[in-house]
Amino acid sequence: AQRVTQPEKLLSVFKGAPVELKCNYSYSGSPELFWYVQYSRQRLQLLLRHISRESIKGFTADLNKGETSFHLKKPFAQEEDSAMYYCALIASTDSWGKLQFGAGTQVVVTP
Amino acid sequence: DTGVSQDPRHKITKRGQNVTFRCDPISEHNRLYWYRQTLGQGPEFLTYFQNEAQLEKSRLLSDRFSAERPKGSFSTLEIQRTEQGDSAMYLCASSPRGTGSEKLFFGSGTQLSVL
Repeated sequence: AQRVTQPEKLLSVFKGAPVELKCNYSYSGSPELFWYVQYSRQRLQLLLRHISRESIKGFTADLNKGETSFHLKKPFAQEEDSAMYYCALIASTDSWGKLQFGAGTQVVVTP
Repeated sequence: DTGVSQDPRHKITKRGQNVTFRCDPISEHNRLYWYRQTLGQGPEFLTYFQNEAQLEKSRLLSDRFSAERPKGSFSTLEIQRTEQGDSAMYLCASSPRGTGSEKLFFGSGTQLSVL
């Protein structure tokens, strides 16, 4: 069965410093990968997905099939980036929308 | 607010009681999902509707759980004979019709506490 691992429960960084959130997955097929974010007192929302190869709010994520990773990066963290971040996967054999989430990483950006 | 609406926001119940949650998806979204999130974990998939048809159910959904979407609009999730292990945040999400890879729009959730 597929699995998503986010090894860091908490990541504390200073404003302006680079931030990288790690995400590793186990799945033998071709997954679709996402990063979802939940800001304080807001709903869970999509940040970005690997097929779009886009940069959202300065964040990028590259799918590395060899290392089965989908790490989220931002070169200069801002205080408004403080949030809970979840990496998620959809297996190619699963219904679209059946997301497998990691446990999440809490990011705290301090001034 | 035109987003996904969930009611109630909080529910406290005693073990053994039945509870029902409601989800109103974004208008014209034909797909609706239920997830459950326990403390310190990411959301876990429970079930999925396309219009009124329930197309998939997770093994997490024991026979005490039932979900409906009778007219392809709002959905209800019922838990019978609640147990303390059912305490969690129950999230609903919807997505529009399409070929796939659209994003899920989540509601604010219903926090269930079973005493």
